[in-house]
Amino acid sequence: AQSVTQPDIHITVSEGASLELRCNYSYGATPYLFWYVQSPGQGLQLLLKYFSGDTLVQGIKGFEAEFKRSQSSFNLRKPSVHWSDAAEYFCAVESYGQNFVFGPGTRLSVLP
Amino acid sequence: DGGITQSPKYLFRKEGQNVTLSCEQNLNHDAMYWYRQDPGQGLRLIYYSQIVNDFQKGDIAEGYSVSREKKESFPLTVTSAQKNPTAFYLCATFRTVNTEAFFGQGTRLTVV
Repeated sequence: AQSVTQPDIHITVSEGASLELRCNYSYGATPYLFWYVQSPGQGLQLLLKYFSGDTLVQGIKGFEAEFKRSQSSFNLRKPSVHWSDAAEYFCAVESYGQNFVFGPGTRLSVLP
Repeated sequence: DGGITQSPKYLFRKEGQNVTLSCEQNLNHDAMYWYRQDPGQGLRLIYYSQIVNDFQKGDIAEGYSVSREKKESFPLTVTSAQKNPTAFYLCATFRTVNTEAFFGQGTRLTVV
């Protein structure tokens, strides 16, 4: 069965530091990959997506993610974190004919 | 504005009561989904509908019911059979299969 793991439940970084959130998936075929962000009490907003082509994708708010087929990973990165980036981040995977599968989420805290 | 409207934002239910959560969209998307979110568990699929007058059970459908009489609307009823209904409920739409999900702002249901 398809699955998505986000190994880090909670990450704390200082403002201005770099960030990497990990996402690994288990899938039989090349999936479609997504990162969403959720502020407290809000819905989810799409940060970026990978369908095909260049494995490094750029998203909104200065985020980027890299698809590595050999590692079954789609890690999210940001070179310099802002206090407003504090939120919960979800990796999601979709394969043709299958429903979205979401990871458990990583909560990001940002220290001033 | 195009979007997904979930109402109410907060809902309180007494034990033994049924309650209905509203989800309306004007994006003209075919597919509509309901997710339940609990802390540390990510999003779990309750029900989904890919076309009017048709819907399918997700992973945790027990104690819930839905209808899809109009393309724009996909209400979720939390019945008294749902033993632990306190959660954050998210409605999402998809334009077609294998595209990204768009989310409403969620409804927080609390049993009192």
